[in-house]
Amino acid sequence: ETGVTQSPTHLIKTRGQQVTLRCSSQSGHNTVSWYQQALGQGPQFIFQYYREEENGRGNFPPRFSGLQFPNYSSELNVNALELDDSALYLCASSRPDRVNEQFFGPGTRLTVL
Amino acid sequence: RKEVEQDPGPFNVPEGATVAFNCTYSNSASQSFFWYRQDCRKEPKLLMSVYSSGNEDGRFTAQLNRASQYISLLIRDSKLSDSATYLCVVNTLRGSYIPTFGRGTSLIVHP
Repeated sequence: ETGVTQSPTHLIKTRGQQVTLRCSSQSGHNTVSWYQQALGQGPQFIFQYYREEENGRGNFPPRFSGLQFPNYSSELNVNALELDDSALYLCASSRPDRVNEQFFGPGTRLTVL
Repeated sequence: RKEVEQDPGPFNVPEGATVAFNCTYSNSASQSFFWYRQDCRKEPKLLMSVYSSGNEDGRFTAQLNRASQYISLLIRDSKLSDSATYLCVVNTLRGSYIPTFGRGTSLIVHP
């Protein structure tokens, strides 16, 4: 069974740029959630995708957007990057019958300069 | 008041000790609860679900108190390998389930 994978592992961008992060869900999981984790804080929920549609969103501005593909993999796009967007971005997938039991990928560490 | 609150610690305990963490939540409509463990510079890993009836898995026991709106995690016979940050998660139905993580409680188990 393949776990959740994310790419890239690290990324450095400058303010105002755009970034796309990618996630492949665990085998058998059709729900993908994205989180932002700042240093010393818990993960903050960005949004969740189920059947290629957004299914719940946290308190993040519209410049955070996402996609889910037919194979359940997902992308997180962030436009107009700000310094405060520097964080660890985590993707988590879950089974359709246990959607709240989430399995996390290793994350992408984004630094915005 | 934050929706989910945890004492950040750190909790410093010797091997073999029993340690307990609490996590309080503010929304009485919250539906499901979990504990995750996060090692330094790693991703969170699901530790256990939390039920009103209690949930035990080896040395770990999780409990939910809906009346007082908190969940707890008890670790018995602490091992060095238990050193990590323990995150509680509260899921609240707002159209769909919205998960809210606490900031985590740091546990350091020393010899």
